[in-house]
Amino acid sequence: DAKTTQPNSMESNEEEPVHLPCNHSTISGTDYIHWYRQLPSQGPEYVIHGLTSNVNNRMASLAIAEDRKSSTLILHRATLRDAAVYYCILSRAAGAGSYQLTFGKGTKLSVIP
Amino acid sequence: GAVVSQHPSWVICKSGTSVKIECRSLDFQATTMFWYRQFPKQSLMLMATSNEGSKATYEQGVEKDKFLINHASLTLSTLTVTSAHPEDSSFYICSARDLSSGQETQYFGPGTRLLVL
Repeated sequence: DAKTTQPNSMESNEEEPVHLPCNHSTISGTDYIHWYRQLPSQGPEYVIHGLTSNVNNRMASLAIAEDRKSSTLILHRATLRDAAVYYCILSRAAGAGSYQLTFGKGTKLSVIP
Repeated sequence: GAVVSQHPSWVICKSGTSVKIECRSLDFQATTMFWYRQFPKQSLMLMATSNEGSKATYEQGVEKDKFLINHASLTLSTLTVTSAHPEDSSFYICSARDLSSGQETQYFGPGTRLLVL
């Protein structure tokens, strides 16, 4: 399975933008790039996903490198509620058209008031 | 967004007993659901993929006779931990894939914390 590399932890000041990097140098042409986040003692929450083009939604933006070997999740204004572990995941079909997600260790984001 | 629920949210049981965990997609139909396990300070590990109306596909190292999965309807999948032992204590999380959204997105339940005494 294609793997991703993320920093173990990052810090951000509240109200400032946060750029969370992810390297995926072995990505294949059909792999989607997904971002999820997990707050303590909760299930993961979908943040955003993309294939080739940059994506924006109400939670975040996803910037994908032209060669697709890296991507960056952008939180435009960090709040205390954004403190979580952020997972960058590549998904590929695993039978019956179902996409499996393989979770790495993710980046633990701390937000400083 | 799509909502996935799990029941119970936590359970304590004696060693040797069986525990059933339910995963429901509340506002969408899910032909595929996934079961994960997460130990403290570790990431989620996929246990099995559950397809409605067919047998689940288990990941390597996951005993299918110990972790029974049933996906009898498009909105419900169950995981039964049979003859639970203390080493089965973990955080169990399910997810469901929403086909109607047209997106390749999985929505996760809130998790079930299992403690086996």
